[in-house]
Amino acid sequence: EAGVTQFPSHSVIEKGQTVTLRCDPISGHDNLYWYRRVMGKEIKFLLHFVKESKQDESGMPNNRFLAERTGGTYSTLKVQPAELEDSGVYFCASSQNRVESYEQYFGPGTRLTVT
Amino acid sequence: AQSVTQLDSHVSVSEGTPVLLRCNYSSSYSPSLFWYVQHPNKGLQLLLKYTSAATLVKGINGFEAEFKKSETSFHLTKPSAHMSDAAEYFCVVSIIQGAQKLVFGQGTRLTINP
Repeated sequence: EAGVTQFPSHSVIEKGQTVTLRCDPISGHDNLYWYRRVMGKEIKFLLHFVKESKQDESGMPNNRFLAERTGGTYSTLKVQPAELEDSGVYFCASSQNRVESYEQYFGPGTRLTVT
Repeated sequence: AQSVTQLDSHVSVSEGTPVLLRCNYSSSYSPSLFWYVQHPNKGLQLLLKYTSAATLVKGINGFEAEFKKSETSFHLTKPSAHMSDAAEYFCVVSIIQGAQKLVFGQGTRLTINP
């Protein structure tokens, strides 16, 4: 079984540019999560999809971040325009939609550097 | 609100000696607690989880953790460290009811000396 994949693994952009991160969850996982780790800080929740619907987006930092999950499969996280403080590692995770099997499986992350 | 505090940002042990990574949590509800590990250039991997069953939880690679409600702790231990244990470890809390978001500690980087 393929794990959670994320693309790209690294991205370096200039302040003011746009970047789109992609996450492919494990096949059949209805739940998809985005997390972020800014340097020196803890990993923080951004948002949670159930299929194509946003269940919880309380962690999204501001309206420069837009997450989508069209069709309930892969998800994208767009940052527009990027600011220096957006640098960090963005993790995606997925889980099955069963209370007894809520373990979240994480991807390797996308390291975003804004210069 | 839930929160997690990992008491050490960096732990260094010799190969073959015990490992102790400390974690304290705060939760308004009966928590679920996890330990995740991240090896360099890899994704986060679940080591073990506590979900209100047995208080002593055994995980992969010889790790275990004990849930102590009176001390609000969930320390991670291993009797004998191996070089391959060098990684960053995260203590995590979640609520089963409602939102499934995970709340992470700051991480503990474990170094194993030969």
